Amino acid sequence: AQKITQTQPGMFVQEKEAVTLDCTYDTSDPSYGLFWYKQPSSGEMIFLIYQGSYDQQNATEGRYSLNFQKARKSANLVISASQLGDSAMYFCAMTPGHLSGNTPLVFGKGTRLSVIA
Amino acid sequence: DTEVTQTPKHLVMGMTNKKSLKCEQHMGHRAMYWYKQKAKKPPELMFVYSYEKLSINESVPSRFSPECPNSSLLNLHLHALQPEDSALYLCASSQVGGNTGELFFGEGSRLTVL
Repeated sequence: AQKITQTQPGMFVQEKEAVTLDCTYDTSDPSYGLFWYKQPSSGEMIFLIYQGSYDQQNATEGRYSLNFQKARKSANLVISASQLGDSAMYFCAMTPGHLSGNTPLVFGKGTRLSVIA
Repeated sequence: DTEVTQTPKHLVMGMTNKKSLKCEQHMGHRAMYWYKQKAKKPPELMFVYSYEKLSINESVPSRFSPECPNSSLLNLHLHALQPEDSALYLCASSQVGGNTGELFFGEGSRLTVL
């Protein structure tokens, strides 16, 4: 079974600074996908970034990058140049088999990020 | 704007009421999902539909009854709920066999059971 661990219940960051949100995972599948989602207070889950287990390079999407260390089974999210609008809950998630398409996501407990002006 | 639309956004119901949550997507996705999320907790999977057929039921009580009438619509029928069922109900969709398996979520329906 897959398991996602996020050890930081809450984080604070100064506006314009970078912040790293930690995520470790456990799976016996050789093929898997790793995701980060942002959930503002409105409730919607917003997709941020994806990393496949066979991807050679770390994923990047604008100000978001995923620091993928396969041997350590970690997939930390780095947000550069934090903005006040980044304040939200952030969930790390995974699916077994990144090509399956209809395999549901398993979520970590989340990290609440607060950006301070 | 999200491409997965959920209605209603807020619902208050008594324990004897019958109500339904509705989810609609027009992205051509053939997998649709219901998740339940309690406050300050991660989403928990309830049901998965693949090609309009129920493929996963995570041992959800029968007072929750899903329905997928066509490839664009997903309903969740609610009957005889308990106060502990109060939560945010999230609908999501995805491609089947897509490259990343990314789920697209709606904004959720916030349910309060009195």
